[in-house]
Amino acid sequence: ETGVTQSPTHLIKTRGQQVTLRCSSQSGHNTVSWYQQALGQGPQFIFQYYREEENGRGNFPPRFSGLQFPNYSSELNVNALELDDSALYLCASMRTLSTDTQYFGPGTRLTVL
Amino acid sequence: AQRVTQPEKLLSVFKGAPVELKCNYSYSGSPELFWYVQYSRQRLQLLLRHISRESIKGFTADLNKGETSFHLKKPFAQEEDSAMYYCALYEDSGYSTLTFGKGTMLLVSP
Repeated sequence: ETGVTQSPTHLIKTRGQQVTLRCSSQSGHNTVSWYQQALGQGPQFIFQYYREEENGRGNFPPRFSGLQFPNYSSELNVNALELDDSALYLCASMRTLSTDTQYFGPGTRLTVL
Repeated sequence: AQRVTQPEKLLSVFKGAPVELKCNYSYSGSPELFWYVQYSRQRLQLLLRHISRESIKGFTADLNKGETSFHLKKPFAQEEDSAMYYCALYEDSGYSTLTFGKGTMLLVSP
């Protein structure tokens, strides 16, 4: 069973640019959540995708969007980057909805200059 | 809204000493709580959950609904326990989310 992978590991962007982060879920998992972890903070829920549909969102603006593909890989897109978007972005996959065990990827470190 | 509070940013102990990492929560329903751990240069991983009442790597945690706490304990700390520990509250409201505390860094010195 393969684990959750994320790419790239690190990314540097400038304010106003757009970024796409990628996640490959654990084999057989049809649900993925994305989290933002700012420095010194715990992870904060951005949104969740289940079977290619967004089914839940945290307190993040619409410029944070996502996609989930039939092979259960997923993307997090952030438009109009702001300095405060600098953070570690984590994806977590779950076997299905309403399972409490989430398997986290190693994260993508985004720096916005 | 649900909230998880970990009052200590850093806890430093000597090897063999007891450890207690504090976690308090605020939640209107029946809570389901977890402890996650992140070792240096490793990903976030589940340590234990309260519903299974298990002991992992010598750690235990008891849910105290009266005090709204879920403290993580270990009687004798080991150097390999040094890591970042996060308390998290699970909620399923049509979608499953984890609300994390800010984390406590545990440093175990020889």
